[in-house]
Amino acid sequence: GEDVEQSLFLSVREGDSSVINCTYTDSSSTYLYWYKQEPGAGLQLLTYIFSNMDMKQDQRLTVLLNKKDKHLSLRIADTQTGDSAIYFCAVEDGNTGKLIFGQGTTLQVKP
Amino acid sequence: DVKVTQSSRYLVKRTGEKVFLECVQDMDHENMFWYRQDPGLGLRLIYFSYDVKMKEKGDIPEGYSVSREKKERFSLILESASTNQTSMYLCASSLWGTGNSYNSPLHFGNGTRLTVT
Repeated sequence: GEDVEQSLFLSVREGDSSVINCTYTDSSSTYLYWYKQEPGAGLQLLTYIFSNMDMKQDQRLTVLLNKKDKHLSLRIADTQTGDSAIYFCAVEDGNTGKLIFGQGTTLQVKP
Repeated sequence: DVKVTQSSRYLVKRTGEKVFLECVQDMDHENMFWYRQDPGLGLRLIYFSYDVKMKEKGDIPEGYSVSREKKERFSLILESASTNQTSMYLCASSLWGTGNSYNSPLHFGNGTRLTVT
């Protein structure tokens, strides 16, 4: 089945760029997603990319997809303290259609 | 906006107790899900339901059961709670599908943190 891997922790200074990385094993996913979980809350869909795209930009967020290497990344420009959260990448399992989540990357933004 | 409400934010139960976690959504979504979130493991799907009275096992159904008597409500049941079921439990719903389409994403509740002593 699908396996999705993320590093567990990233610390940046306010104003810097953050890059959160994700690797996956099943390349048949039509959409790949980033979800954000703020403290004490559930997950919210942050952004997504269609599998035939290399890049998608949405204000401060840039999603990069390298299908050959099965690598997905989320770049947050001008990171703010309000961006502190856990970020999950999620990829569709081609066999079951279910979403498979990575372990989540905790982003800590220092003032 | 879709609202997914989990009835308890924190629960403390004893080993062997029967535990009910309740979830209600207000947007007439077809599908509902129960996930478990553990540090370093991410989210793992326990059970999901495509319709009233229908349920399907997820990746880690052992020790759990579910009930969906009404479209808006999906309950997770721990028949005999054990300490290894101490975790954060997240309920989610989607209009259709499994959250695998951008126009029908998963909408999550705020979670129930269950401690089994």
